[in-house]
Amino acid sequence: DQQVKQNSPSLSVQEGRISILNCDYTNSMFDYFLWYKKYPAEGPTFLISISSIKDKNEDGRFTVFLNKSAKHLSLHIVPSQPGDSAVYFCAANRDGNEKLTFGTGTRLTIIP
Amino acid sequence: KAGVTQTPRYLIKTRGQQVTLSCSPISGHRSVSWYQQTPGQGLQFLFEYFSETQRNKGNFPGRFSGRQFSNSRSEMNVSTLELGDSALYLCASNGQANMNTEAFFGQGTRLTVV
Repeated sequence: DQQVKQNSPSLSVQEGRISILNCDYTNSMFDYFLWYKKYPAEGPTFLISISSIKDKNEDGRFTVFLNKSAKHLSLHIVPSQPGDSAVYFCAANRDGNEKLTFGTGTRLTIIP
Repeated sequence: KAGVTQTPRYLIKTRGQQVTLSCSPISGHRSVSWYQQTPGQGLQFLFEYFSETQRNKGNFPGRFSGRQFSNSRSEMNVSTLELGDSALYLCASNGQANMNTEAFFGQGTRLTVV
């Protein structure tokens, strides 16, 4: 039972344009959401997070939007740069003491 | 400060064998989590240890086990290896007990079962 879903396995975006990565979840008890980025042969690195009490969090070129009623979150990258090419994982957690549940990832390719 | 270190980086084992993977967290971090990454499955949570106690466990068979030592280093063991256990095994450490904080991942151990 995949409680966190990233339905797009891959996404290609022109350099300088906006990249939008989507994530859906089924467990309404999730109250914290995180995005990680992974380059080949490296471990994932933390990108940005959002608590369920907010609907938006921004950090530089990265913004995460949360729509609790739709159980949907998205990561916006503006403007997209070649170094953003990586696999992006969204993750969700319930009540800080529990495990992180990850999605299957979306491979983002930025076209120069 | 040094990051999360996983050893070995690559491993080839035969079906039926057992394997032990090691993870040294960032100094001062007491929480260590293990994940299995396979194509199309994302990161599947195996277990999490905090101060030598297993706090959370994923939905993996009992062949997968782990432990954490007093210095926070952790080991993961898989017995009676199956072909389907071939994967990248990632370890992550947290500086706080709250799992909502940033986790720092190691580079992983690539296990191939033949």
